[in-house]
Parts: sequence; C-alpha cells; structure tokens
Amino acid sequence: QKEVEQNSGPLSVPEGAIASLNCTYSDRGSQSFFWYRQYSGKSPELIMFIYSNGDKEDGRFTAQLNKASQYVSLLIRDSQPSDSATYLCAVRAGGFQKLVFGTGTRLLVSP
Amino acid sequence: ETGVTQSPTHLIKTRGQQVTLRCSSQSGHNTVSWYQQALGQGPQFIFQYYREEENGRGNFPPRFSGLQFPNYSSELNVNALELDDSALYLCVYTVGSSYNSPLHFGNGTRLTVT
Repeated sequence: QKEVEQNSGPLSVPEGAIASLNCTYSDRGSQSFFWYRQYSGKSPELIMFIYSNGDKEDGRFTAQLNKASQYVSLLIRDSQPSDSATYLCAVRAGGFQKLVFGTGTRLLVSP
Repeated sequence: ETGVTQSPTHLIKTRGQQVTLRCSSQSGHNTVSWYQQALGQGPQFIFQYYREEENGRGNFPPRFSGLQFPNYSSELNVNALELDDSALYLCVYTVGSSYNSPLHFGNGTRLTVT
C-alpha cells in the first residue's frame, strides 16, 4: 500500500471552474500536509500547507484536512490556464524535513 | 527570492562516474535535505543534515552521500552512477524551526546519466 495516494489524472476543467484535487495517506500519525505545484521541467513550488483539521484558505486556493478519514484536498477556485500543472500532495513523515509524496495529479485548465 | 541556489542546473554524466551537486543557502537554514525526483514520480527523500551531521536517511544506497558546511551550503555526492540515477535532484530548506514550518525546494539540478 502506497503511503500517499493521488489520482494521476489528467483532471480537465474549463477556465473559471473549481478544480478539486484529492489525496489520501496511510500513516494516521501524520501531522503536516503540503500541496506543491510543479510545472514541467521546474522544481515543486509550495502553494499550501495545513496541519489542523478543517479548511485553510489562501486566495483562490483552499486546503481541506480530515484526519479521521485520512484525506487532504486542494480546491482551486476560478481556475486559470496558468494553473495547468502537476499538483503534488506531501505528508511529513517522522523527520523534520522528510516528506512522503504522492505521484501527483496533472491538472489541465482549458480556455 | 528563495535564498537557496543549486548548481549546476543541468549535468550529463556517464555510467560509473561520480558527481557532486551543490546547494548554497543563506544564513539561518541550518537544516537541509536532498530529494530525488525521477520522471513522472513524486520527489523521494534521500537524507537530511542538521548542523553538519546526517540525521535522517531514506531508502538510498551508501553511494549517495552528503556534506553540510559551516556556511550552510551542502553537497550531494553520488558514486558509481547508474542509468536510474537520471533525475531531478532537489535541495530543501525550511522557513522557521517549528515542526509545522513549511518546506521549500531549490530550483534543482537535472542529472542525466548515459
């Protein structure tokens, strides 16, 4: 069983729609959760992190965490073509800088 | 501005050779980690250094080694390169010292082994 699972996609949404990206994790003791955006050929860019149950909003992005169900999601409102990228979910795993990543979900936003 | 620079940006090596990748960090980043990202995969944790000592390691063989220097710069060394070592190598730094502090990646070094 993979520790962090994401649907590889692609997830296709029209411009202006809400994109919903999901991630499940297996370690119930996990405490910190991260969403990174990665454009092709570039390094991952941190867009959200969350460690408390509930929602955390930052501009067009909302991260949602449900520790009881062991899932974390990312909502992107008013999706733009520039949001087209791979979104990586990561869970902090026992070490200060040790993250376990999913394989990423590719998002395509069409004009 | 991330305050972290990785060099070189691209590198081509031959199987069996050795390579050194570098990450330079501004003052205050006393913890540094390295990750390997193969094509189509998420990054994988190689190891972490804190105050010049390795204090965490992922599932990588000993031919992957590292150093951290007093000026907070770091090196990743890979010996006896294999074709599967072709990947994007990422240096990670933390803003803040809380366990919940966010982690940021450097710009990466793309290594190709032929």
